[in-house]
Amino acid sequence: EDQVTQSPEALRLQEGESSSLNCSYTVSGLRGLFWYRQDPGKGPEFLFTLYSAGEEKEKERLKATLTKKESFLHITAPKPEDSATYLCAVQPKRGGADGLTFGKGTHLIIQP
Amino acid sequence: DSGVTQTPKHLITATGQRVTLRCSPRSGDLSVYWYQQSLDQGLQFLIQYYNGEERAKGNILERFSAQQFPDLHSELNLSSLELGDSALYFCASKGNGDTQYFGPGTRLTVL
Repeated sequence: EDQVTQSPEALRLQEGESSSLNCSYTVSGLRGLFWYRQDPGKGPEFLFTLYSAGEEKEKERLKATLTKKESFLHITAPKPEDSATYLCAVQPKRGGADGLTFGKGTHLIIQP
Repeated sequence: DSGVTQTPKHLITATGQRVTLRCSPRSGDLSVYWYQQSLDQGLQFLIQYYNGEERAKGNILERFSAQQFPDLHSELNLSSLELGDSALYFCASKGNGDTQYFGPGTRLTVL
């Protein structure tokens, strides 16, 4: 059974204070690992897809990295508008059956 | 805006009732997915359709069913509703790539 564990559950940072969110996963053959951002009461918003160990993707203050067992979402000099829940999900290699398995997310609060 | 639309935004109903949630995927996307998000379980995959046919099932209860129509919109039917079915229900769609794009969700409250 595919499993995704995210840590910490919640993180409070000061504006400008960089940090990292962790996503540990077990999957029987990884096709892709996804990061989404979710604001309260809204649908998840796509951020990144990572496919192989060593891959990195960047977008503004966010950088995602991937190893064989975990992924990190690095947040550099965050701003209050980066406050959200960040979700990690894995997509298995199962032909066309590709429902995502999500972690429970990290609730990030950036204080001004 | 992801391009995925869901109706209604909110739904309040009573235990034992049946409801239908609707999803219109992004233009051209053939794959539609349904997910349930509750406070204790997080976001869980329910079912996937591809071009009108069921492709995969996740943690979907027997009281729940779905279908995808020829115009590619999808409906999720929830019956014999229980208090524990209260949750956010999301639809996502996917084209030829790997990324699933999520709609704004339907918040279901069962009283």
